[in-house]
Amino acid sequence: NAGVTQTPKFQVLKTGQSMTLQCAQDMNHEYMSWYRQDPGMGLRLIHYSVGAGITDQGEVPNGYNVSRSTTEDFPLRLLSAAPSQTSVYFCASSRRTATDTQYFGPGTRLTVL
Amino acid sequence: GQQLNQSPQSMFIQEGEDVSMNCTSSSIFNTWLWYKQDPGEGPVLLIALYKAGELTSNGRLTAQFGITRKDSFLNISASIPSDVGIYFCAGRNAGNMLTFGGGTRLMVKP
Repeated sequence: NAGVTQTPKFQVLKTGQSMTLQCAQDMNHEYMSWYRQDPGMGLRLIHYSVGAGITDQGEVPNGYNVSRSTTEDFPLRLLSAAPSQTSVYFCASSRRTATDTQYFGPGTRLTVL
Repeated sequence: GQQLNQSPQSMFIQEGEDVSMNCTSSSIFNTWLWYKQDPGEGPVLLIALYKAGELTSNGRLTAQFGITRKDSFLNISASIPSDVGIYFCAGRNAGNMLTFGGGTRLMVKP
């Protein structure tokens, strides 16, 4: 099993550009989530999904869209990148709920100029 | 949103020392979790606590779920160099979302 994979590992965008951060898991997990990590602030939940076709907003959803067309994939879209979205983004998955053991991907370091 | 206050923010350890860190919240949580993050990697779950008053160990790590359900602590006994990293607490209330603390960075004394 590859676990949770994320691409790209690093990305630099200009303000206003759009892009999609990819996340995939091969553990047949129902629950998937996206977090952003900023210095001194821990991880903050952006969006999450409890199964294919179901998504919900987390703590900081503005400026981000998600979809869950398959169990395996949970892409995160930045519609119009802003410098405030400079951060490290982590995708995670767990068997069914947020408190089942969450397996985190290696992260994507995004810089918006 | 909910806030988890984690302390200390950072600390230096010497090999063999015991380490303590804690998280407090103004809100009640039903579940407390403790994670460790190594540089350049995602967090890894260390301990999960599901009941108020619960005390759980994982090797040299011990964590407790406070009886008020508003706090939790993590102890590391006889620290070793590979304990260095960032430790996060996280809590869950009635929803399906985790709230994370700001992290405690463990470093080795020079």
